[in-house]
Amino acid sequence: DAGVTQSPTHLIKTRGQQVTLRCSPKSGHDTVSWYQQALGQGPQFIFQYYEEEERQRGNFPDRFSGHQFPNYSSELNVNALLLGDSALYLCASSLFPDSSYEQYFGPGTRLTVT
Amino acid sequence: AQSVTQLGSHVSVSEGALVLLRCNYSSSVPPYLFWYVQYPNQGLQLLLKYTTGATLVKGINGFEAEFKKSETSFHLTKPSAHMSDAAEYFCAVSDFNTGNQFYFGTGTSLTVIP
Repeated sequence: DAGVTQSPTHLIKTRGQQVTLRCSPKSGHDTVSWYQQALGQGPQFIFQYYEEEERQRGNFPDRFSGHQFPNYSSELNVNALLLGDSALYLCASSLFPDSSYEQYFGPGTRLTVT
Repeated sequence: AQSVTQLGSHVSVSEGALVLLRCNYSSSVPPYLFWYVQYPNQGLQLLLKYTTGATLVKGINGFEAEFKKSETSFHLTKPSAHMSDAAEYFCAVSDFNTGNQFYFGTGTSLTVIP
């Protein structure tokens, strides 16, 4: 049973560029959440997708957007990259309506903005 | 609003000694509480969780945690530390009011001294 997978593993971008990160949820899960983990910090919630819609959003600017596909996989897009966007981006999957107490995390994508 | 405080950003113990990692939370409703472990350059792995029922929760790798409502705490313990326990540990909280959003502490780095 495949767990949560994310691609790419590492990414280097320049300020002002745009980036797309991808996530495939654990088999049987239908909900995807995205978190940003800055160096030395705990993960911070970006947003959550269920039924191809953004259901909840954390305190992140509109430069951060996402999408969920019919197969439940998801993308995170970040526009106009800033140096401060450098972080590990984690995807977590869950099964509605159990997302309050059951989220499985992927290995993350390390984004470096130069 | 939910929040998590992890006392001690760095904890060192000798191999074979007791591990105690502290976590206090704030929540206006009964919380769901979690401990995750993160090894270098990896994602988050669930150690254990409390949702309802027994307040002493046993997890993987010999870890356990006790939910103490009166103290708003969920400290993580392991009777005997092993070298492989060296990692970053995160406490997290959620509840139905947060709408599936997990709030994480800033993490505790555990070093095990041989």
